Amino acid sequence: DVKVTQSSRYLVKRTGEKVFLECVQDMDHENMFWYRQDPGLGLRLIYFSYDVKMKEKGDIPEGYSVSREKKERFSLILESASTNQTSMYLCASRAPTGFTEAFFGQGTRLTVV
Amino acid sequence: RKEVEQDPGPFNVPEGATVAFNCTYSNSASQSFFWYRQDCRKEPKLLMSVYSSGNEDGRFTAQLNRASQYISLLIRDSKLSDSATYLCVVISGGSNYKLTFGKGTLLTVNP
Repeated sequence: DVKVTQSSRYLVKRTGEKVFLECVQDMDHENMFWYRQDPGLGLRLIYFSYDVKMKEKGDIPEGYSVSREKKERFSLILESASTNQTSMYLCASRAPTGFTEAFFGQGTRLTVV
Repeated sequence: RKEVEQDPGPFNVPEGATVAFNCTYSNSASQSFFWYRQDCRKEPKLLMSVYSSGNEDGRFTAQLNRASQYISLLIRDSKLSDSATYLCVVISGGSNYKLTFGKGTLLTVNP
């Protein structure tokens, strides 16, 4: 059974903290993605990576960075958490060809207080 | 114009009804298209890919119109279990990497 695993389901952090969200996939996929999902705004792409150590900004990268040191792991970093980063964060992975499916992790609901 | 736009919904339909969702995309070079389903408090999961010739999977039919740059999803004989948010997904042409989601359409099927 294919799997994308996010390190936490729920997380509460304080304003100004550095926050790490981890995502691991076991499908040997080249492409990995980080989205945030907010009511009324849908899924918005923060960053994606198409190979180890390669990354590209998505639509809303401000306040975030990413790390992809190994193929199976893609980390999202909130450099200094703010209350407007309270959201559901979803990681996905996909093989970069044609009609292949993107698989999602279960999501991390982050609350910044 | 946003990259991917969907019917805002919500859609409330009785069991057995036929319901259709549309989604438009702005990048004419987009290559691949999908419909995903997301249940409340769950992650999105693939419902079906959308092929150029159109495709059907049981009660679900997906269509692609490249000239008008939209995709559609038709659900026939709606079931209570079809209640979910439906998301259209477009893979941008050129890179074949970036997945862009519509905001989603909430469907509620009522008894």
